[in-house]
Amino acid sequence: GAVVSQHPSWVICKSGTSVKIECRSLDFQATTMFWYRQFPKQSLMLMATSNEGSKATYEQGVEKDKFLINHASLTLSTLTVTSAHPEDSSFYICSALSGLAGSDTQYFGPGTRLTVL
Amino acid sequence: QKEVEQNSGPLSVPEGAIASLNCTYSDRGSQSFFWYRQYSGKSPELIMFIYSNGDKEDGRFTAQLNKASQYVSLLIRDSQPSDSATYLCAVNEGYSTLTFGKGTMLLVSP
Repeated sequence: GAVVSQHPSWVICKSGTSVKIECRSLDFQATTMFWYRQFPKQSLMLMATSNEGSKATYEQGVEKDKFLINHASLTLSTLTVTSAHPEDSSFYICSALSGLAGSDTQYFGPGTRLTVL
Repeated sequence: QKEVEQNSGPLSVPEGAIASLNCTYSDRGSQSFFWYRQYSGKSPELIMFIYSNGDKEDGRFTAQLNKASQYVSLLIRDSQPSDSATYLCAVNEGYSTLTFGKGTMLLVSP
C-alpha cells in the first residue's frame, strides 16, 4: 500500500516553455501532498504544501506564479513550472500524506528529472 | 529555525556489521520521527517511523528515540552492500510538514 506515482519520470524542454508534472496516490486518498526539489548532492527542499480543494502553501522564496500547483482531487496534484529556465533544472519529487500506517506519513513518488536547455 | 542535524559521512562499515546512524533535532515539541533511505538519483523511500521513546524494530532495522536528549538513531544489523545509500532523518513538527536532515551516506563494503 501507499504507492505514489509521478509522470513524467524525466523531461527535457527548451527555455521559456512550461512543464507539467503529475503526482498520483494510487491506492489511497491524499488530502495533502507535498512538492520538493533536490539539486545534485543537496538535501530535499520543500517547495509547497498542496491541499485538495484549496490553494497551495508555498515556502519562503518559492515563486507561486512560477510554480503553479493544483490539487483538484484526492489522488492527483500537479506542478507546472512556467517559463522554465536552465536554473529550474532539478529533481522534482512529490509526496502524499497517508495515515494508513497509523501515523501521518509521507510517501514519496519516484521523482521527475527536469532539464531545461 | 527548526533544525535536524546528521553527520554527512560517509559512514563505512564492512558487510555483516551493525551500522549506527544518528540524528539530533532542535524542536523539543517534535511529535514523530522518520527514517528514509535514498539511493543516488532516486527518491526517498520510507524505512520506518517512531513516535514513542525507546526502541522500535522492523527486520534488520531498529529505530531508537530519546526525546529528553532530542536524539533519534537508526541501527542496521547485518549490513549489506545493498544498504549503501543516503539515510535521511526527518522530524514532524506538526501539520504533517517534515524537516529533513541533510542525510548520512552509508557505504557497506563486501
